Amino acid sequence: EIVLTQSPTTMAASPGEKVTLTCRASSSVSYMHWYQQKSGASPKLWIYDTSNRASGVPNRFSGSGSGTSYSLTISSMETEDAATYYCQQWSSNPYTFGAGTKLELK
Amino acid sequence: AVQLVESGGGLVQPKESLKISCAASGFTFSNAAMYWVRQAPGKGLEWVARIRTKPNNYATYYADSVKGRFTISRDDSKSMVYLQMDNLKTEDTAMYYCTAGLGTTRFAYWGQGTLVTVSS
Repeated sequence: EIVLTQSPTTMAASPGEKVTLTCRASSSVSYMHWYQQKSGASPKLWIYDTSNRASGVPNRFSGSGSGTSYSLTISSMETEDAATYYCQQWSSNPYTFGAGTKLELK
Repeated sequence: AVQLVESGGGLVQPKESLKISCAASGFTFSNAAMYWVRQAPGKGLEWVARIRTKPNNYATYYADSVKGRFTISRDDSKSMVYLQMDNLKTEDTAMYYCTAGLGTTRFAYWGQGTLVTVSS
């Protein structure tokens, strides 16, 4: 099983601040997906295939990475971006998720 | 628009059984692999089960944590997917989400979830 380790576990960012969330895989994966989940709501696909924004995702969000190291970056934090973000791999069964990074507004 | 609506959750005692359902609409259901993903209270996401399409013999796959206790099935005529959960344990308490990738290798669409609570 591929274990995904996200860091940090929790962080707070001020409006306008650049934010970078990381996800490290225990073995190399072909690509990474990211999901956004707000409190009390279902997760939403946010970034797919490492660097593609899902429909409706603002272009301040970007994804990058390869092999065992991936990241999600917000170029300029906005209030609505406060949420928990999960990375997820599909390269190997079982389809594992990271434990999530909770992003709060400072 | 794609819609996934789960139902059937509730409170059950350990070792009991429960069957939850997901009604799908807005896409050609018979062409889509379907999945269940769960989230324990205050915890992260865990993939639970997958069922493929008829051309793939409705092949099923399970997380080790539920293998032998849970059974995923589908009824293409009704656009429904089910999760039969037997010998439930307290650690199965979670929100259960129905998801679909619609031909993609990602959880592109999610339902609102149905809460299963296992407690004595």
